[in-house]
Amino acid sequence: GAVVSQHPSRVICKSGTSVKIECRSLDFQATTMFWYRQFPKQSLMLMATSNEGSKATYEQGVEKDKFLINHASLTLSTLTVTSAHPEDSSFYICSARDGAGGSQRTQYFGPGTRLLVL
Amino acid sequence: DAKTTQPPSMDCAEGRAANLPCNHSTISGNEYVYWYRQIHSQGPQYIIHGLKNNETNEMASLIITEDRKSSTLILPHATLRDTAVYYCIVRAPFGNEKLTFGTGTRLTIIP
Repeated sequence: GAVVSQHPSRVICKSGTSVKIECRSLDFQATTMFWYRQFPKQSLMLMATSNEGSKATYEQGVEKDKFLINHASLTLSTLTVTSAHPEDSSFYICSARDGAGGSQRTQYFGPGTRLLVL
Repeated sequence: DAKTTQPPSMDCAEGRAANLPCNHSTISGNEYVYWYRQIHSQGPQYIIHGLKNNETNEMASLIITEDRKSSTLILPHATLRDTAVYYCIVRAPFGNEKLTFGTGTRLTIIP
């Protein structure tokens, strides 16, 4: 199957700093990538949809100025958590949608990035 | 997207077939049924998807009822590594392709 990578796998930072997370589709081109967040013992919640070359679409309640998304190429999307605070500590997961396959385009997920803000 | 209902947890003996049910009674005619699983502290893994016909791949089989209101994911010979949370998701083919994750079924394979 298609492979999606994320970097870093885990990061610890001080409150007030910014953290960038990269999401790459390794063996396919992804016109659309998605960013999710998962708190302990909860399910995944979609944060935003990222389309290559255009602005991301954010879900209700997600601050676009705090969670900056850039999708500059067909294989790379980045999520920057600006001025991170302890409540931003979470498991961040990206997915990439294979552009081929017509109506059956499948999303493949990265391994996730665990963020801990002290 | 149509809402799905899954049992919160199930156990299955190692080596036996694991049958995970999912109800999606409000599914629309063009919506696909997708199954993913999430092993602890990892990103979700795609398993299989289908529209109307039953599907099989190297990981699992998907049985969709004729009225499409429910489906069953079958892991034919469960191993300990199949212990995970399994999510059944209904997705539109075009346009809004967001995946809405419910609470899933926590499958525990018993040695």
